[in-house]
Amino acid sequence: NAGVTQTPKFQVLKTGQSMTLQCAQDMNHEYMSWYRQDPGMGLRLIHYSVGAGITDQGEVPNGYNVSRSTTEDFPLRLLSAAPSQTSVYFCASGLQREQYFGPGTRLTVT
Amino acid sequence: KQEVTQIPAALSVPEGENLVLNCSFTDSAIYNLQWFRQDPGKGLTSLLLIQSSQREQTSGRLNASLDKSSGRSTLYIAASQPGDSATYLCAPTTGFQKLVFGTGTRLLVSP
Repeated sequence: NAGVTQTPKFQVLKTGQSMTLQCAQDMNHEYMSWYRQDPGMGLRLIHYSVGAGITDQGEVPNGYNVSRSTTEDFPLRLLSAAPSQTSVYFCASGLQREQYFGPGTRLTVT
Repeated sequence: KQEVTQIPAALSVPEGENLVLNCSFTDSAIYNLQWFRQDPGKGLTSLLLIQSSQREQTSGRLNASLDKSSGRSTLYIAASQPGDSATYLCAPTTGFQKLVFGTGTRLLVSP
């Protein structure tokens, strides 16, 4: 199993650009989520999904969009990038209680 | 709102020492608690998961305890090694699998 994979590893965007961060898992997990990690702060939940076709907002959802058309994939879309969205983004998946994280995407918005 | 505090923020020890990392949380209504390890520039690796009905969980040199009523968890690392150097994060679960993270304890084990 590859586990949780994320692409790209690094990305630089200009303010106002849009992009999609990809996340995939091959463990048939129902639950998937996105977190952002900023210096001096704990990871914060952006959006999550409890199964294909079902998504909901986390603690910091503004400026981000998600959809879940398959069990395996959970992309995160930045609609119009802002410098405040400079962060490291982690995708996670889980089945019952334990969650597994991807390697992260480091995003810089200039 | 659940808030998680980890003490100490940083810890430096010589190889071979036993050490304890502390985690406290404000809302005791949790489903479980997970301890993670994060190496610089890397993702999170799950170390231990303690269910809300459990008091402790062990994996090799690691032992995690949970006292839900007092809002505390500890991670005990026995016979520390330089390879244990990393940031350790605790995350109780509130709601359906929603992890709430502390800012972590940065551990450095010197040879």
